[in-house]
Amino acid sequence: GAVVSQHPSWVICKSGTSVKIECRSLDFQATTMFWYRQFPKQSLMLMATSNEGSKATYEQGVEKDKFLINHASLTLSTLTVTSAHPEDSSFYICSVRTSGGTAQYFGPGTRLLVL
Amino acid sequence: GENVEQHPSTLSVQEGDSAVIKCTYSDSASNYFPWYKQELGKGPQLIIDIRSNVGEKKDQRIAVTLNKTAKHFSLHITETQPEDSAVYFCAASRSGGSNYKLTFGKGTLLTVNP
Repeated sequence: GAVVSQHPSWVICKSGTSVKIECRSLDFQATTMFWYRQFPKQSLMLMATSNEGSKATYEQGVEKDKFLINHASLTLSTLTVTSAHPEDSSFYICSVRTSGGTAQYFGPGTRLLVL
Repeated sequence: GENVEQHPSTLSVQEGDSAVIKCTYSDSASNYFPWYKQELGKGPQLIIDIRSNVGEKKDQRIAVTLNKTAKHFSLHITETQPEDSAVYFCAASRSGGSNYKLTFGKGTLLTVNP
């Protein structure tokens, strides 16, 4: 399977600040990247889908101005949580898929805690 | 849209026993069904997947079966070991196109007791 990294693995920030999370596909070109969030003991909730060089497609109920996604290259996508609030505290996980591929591989996740 | 139901939500077995997790889906056009294992504090790991042109797929102690008519698929783990303890998610999607999305079940917490 594909190797996907995320950085940082965990972050604590103050309310009102912005946090950037990086997702890298280490061993193949990820045409499509996905961002999920997961609350404790719950399933994965898709936030947005991004294709390299295009604007991200956000799921219903996800604020695009709050969760900024940039998919600038075939190996890097970033998620920026702007003006973070305690309710944004969650586990954020990216996922990648190759062009023409079906299988989807996940990163190790980033734990965000907003105080 | 697609809806995936997963059962049971928790499953406890003795080491060496078999474990079975079942999922049903609603979209008859779905043709790709992966299973993920998620350990505490980690991202989901793809452990096996099946496409609708086959009815069963096996990889060592793990197997997945698919019944397209009934729209259900199952994960079978044989000779369970304590390291199999984790949350398992099933998912379903259509394939083709750049923006098809996985729909996940709610997960099954599997505990393998030594």
